[in-house]
Amino acid sequence: GESVGLHLPTLSVQEGDNSIINCAYSNSASDYFIWYKQESGKGPQFIIDIRSNMDKRQGQRVTVLLNKTVKHLSLQIAATQPGDSAVYFCAETYPPYGQNFVFGPGTRLSVLP
Amino acid sequence: GAVVSQHPSRVICKSGTSVKIECRSLDFQATTMFWYRQFPKKSLMLMATSNEGSKATYEQGVEKDKFLINHASLTLSTLTVTSAHPEDSSFYICSARERGPSTDTQYFGPGTRLTVL
Repeated sequence: GESVGLHLPTLSVQEGDNSIINCAYSNSASDYFIWYKQESGKGPQFIIDIRSNMDKRQGQRVTVLLNKTVKHLSLQIAATQPGDSAVYFCAETYPPYGQNFVFGPGTRLSVLP
Repeated sequence: GAVVSQHPSRVICKSGTSVKIECRSLDFQATTMFWYRQFPKKSLMLMATSNEGSKATYEQGVEKDKFLINHASLTLSTLTVTSAHPEDSSFYICSARERGPSTDTQYFGPGTRLTVL
C-alpha cells in the first residue's frame, strides 16, 4: 500500500518577486547541505550546496543561507519566474558524505502570473 | 553537474510480470547508487543503497526479494520489480554518488514511472 509520507507545504509567490524556502535540519553533525529542485514528472535536480564553514553561498539567482545555531537552511530565489515552479528539497549529510543523505519533506513553489 | 540517466522513463506492465529499471552514471563512476520511490505529492522514500560489487542495503520495510538490485559495474545499477502488482505503481528514482577532490554528493536520474495494470 501507499507509504505514509508527508504532504508537501506550498509557497505561492507572484512572478518577479523573491521566494524564500525554508528547511529545518535535525542532525547537529550534518555539515554539508544541498538544495534540489524537482519538476513534475522528473527527478530532483541539484541546485546549490553549502558547507558548514560557510553561512551564505550564492549562485545564479539563488542564494542559500545556513544558520547552524538554529539548524536552519533557506533557499532564496530572486525574481521568481514561472519556470521556478517545482518542489524544492533540502538535504543534509554528514561523513561519509554522499552516503548519509537525509531529505526534508519538500516545499512546492507555485509562481503566480 | 554530473549526469545520471534512467531507462525506461515510463513503463506499463501487467500484474505478475517483472520490470527492470536501469540507472547509469554517464560521466563519472559511482561506487554507490541509491533507489528511491516517490508517491504523488510526497517526498522521496529511500528504498535501498546499491554498492558496486556487493549486496544492496535495504531500508526497513522494503522487500529485498521483490525489489532486486544489482550494481554490476561502476556506472550501472538495476532495480527489478518482481511479480509486480498495482500497488507497486509509483515513480522510481535513482541517484548516484559522485566523489571527487571537492565534491561528494548525489545526483539524480530523471525517474521511471511504473504503472502496473
